[in-house]
Amino acid sequence: GAGVSQSPSNKVTEKGKDVELRCDPISGHTALYWYRQSLGQGLEFLIYFQGNSAPDKSGLPSDRFSAERTGGSVSTLTIQRTQQEDSAVYLCASSLGGSQYFGPGTRLLVL
Amino acid sequence: GEDVEQSLFLSVREGDSSVINCTYTDSSSTYLYWYKQEPGAGLQLLTYIFSNMDMKQDQRLTVLLNKKDKHLSLRIADTQTGDSAIYFCAESPISSGSARQLTFGSGTQLTVLP
Repeated sequence: GAGVSQSPSNKVTEKGKDVELRCDPISGHTALYWYRQSLGQGLEFLIYFQGNSAPDKSGLPSDRFSAERTGGSVSTLTIQRTQQEDSAVYLCASSLGGSQYFGPGTRLLVL
Repeated sequence: GEDVEQSLFLSVREGDSSVINCTYTDSSSTYLYWYKQEPGAGLQLLTYIFSNMDMKQDQRLTVLLNKKDKHLSLRIADTQTGDSAIYFCAESPISSGSARQLTFGSGTQLTVLP
């Protein structure tokens, strides 16, 4: 079956621009997570959606970061006024309450 | 807060066994995972273990958990060149109502030499 998909796979942007990253979770998965993987580091939790509950935004590094999940399915992570330190791989994962399954990630480079 | 630690590098010869180690600090950790990340790819779930288990075997993979020492290991038998990748250890808490987000180690780069 289809796994988690993310788009775009790569994104190069200029400092100060806004970017939107998209995640399509596995169909039927109620939980959706965003993580960030910076160069040479592990993964950092950003935000979590579970069904219709209010998202857990405790991992978002600043108010420039926001995310939405429409209709309990597709999610969009938005970074406003991008900074060079935002350059990283942004990974999305979904689950049905158990193991998390990851997408291929979006590689963001802020020049 | 939670902390998960791994050694950064491991090199083995093809056909040998690989053992990747991980330690964690969160005593409430209930789910412990191993993920594999190949170059340019996302994370692939390899296996997981519940904290009430000591061992789990899945084909060439054996996971050992020492809950007392908060030590987790992944053994790969008959390591192949295709096993070369970064292996991440991750844990998540059991608390109901929590996000159960994963806390990851920094990853171990496994290099399999011919």
